[in-house]
Amino acid sequence: SQTIHQWPATLVQPVGSPLSLECTVEGTSNPNLYWYRQAAGRGLQLLFYSVGIGQISSEVPQNLSASRPQDRQFILSSKKLLLSDSGFYLCAWSGGQGALGQETQYFGPGTRLLVL
Amino acid sequence: GENVEQHPSTLSVQEGDSAVIKCTYSDSASNYFPWYKQELGKRPQLIIDIRSNVGEKKDQRIAVTLNKTAKHFSLHITETQPEDSAVYFCAASNNYGQNFVFGPGTRLSVLP
Repeated sequence: SQTIHQWPATLVQPVGSPLSLECTVEGTSNPNLYWYRQAAGRGLQLLFYSVGIGQISSEVPQNLSASRPQDRQFILSSKKLLLSDSGFYLCAWSGGQGALGQETQYFGPGTRLLVL
Repeated sequence: GENVEQHPSTLSVQEGDSAVIKCTYSDSASNYFPWYKQELGKRPQLIIDIRSNVGEKKDQRIAVTLNKTAKHFSLHITETQPEDSAVYFCAASNNYGQNFVFGPGTRLSVLP
C-alpha cells in the first residue's frame, strides 16, 4: 500500500531564515505530487504541483519554491521566511499522469510552521 | 479554470439530526467529485467520492448526490454523532486529476 511521509512535523523559525520541508511517497511510482498551505481556520491553498522529476508548476507568486529531485520526493523551500509563511503545510499525491481513475489526492500528515 | 463554491461555511446540528453540505462547480469537463473530512490539527482524509456516471453513492451514514445538469453535488450525513464534527471539503476534477480544485470548506459542529 502507499504511504506518504512529511517532516518535520512542527517547526518554529525566525523571520528571514531559510526553510526546507520534505515529502516522500512509498508504494507507488510516477505520482503527481502537490504542496498545499492552510492558514489557521482556512481552506487549502495549492502552492505547487509536479507531474514528474524536475517538472514543477507554481500556482501563486510567493517567496517559496519547490523541487522534485527524485520520482517520489518533493521539497518545499524558501531562502527567507516571512511572517505570512506561517501555516500548516500539506503534501499530497495522486496517480501518475494520464492515469484514469487514479485522480484521488491523498494527504501527508503535514508540517506545522510558525514564523516568529 | 474550475471554480468550486461550498455552502454553508458553518453548520451546527443536534446529535442525531441530518447535515447537508452543498457544492457547485463551473467546469462541465469535471467528472470526479471527492469529499474530505479534516479533524482539528489533522490531515484531510477522503470519506467518499462520486464519478459522473452515477447520481448517488452511499456508505453507511454518508451519501453523496450529483446533478451534472445543474453542476452541483451534495454531502448528506444522517444520524450525526459528535465525532462527525470537523471541516468538510468538496473538490472537483476531471478523470485524469487535472484541474483538481477544492471548495473553501464547511465547519460542521454536532451538538450533544
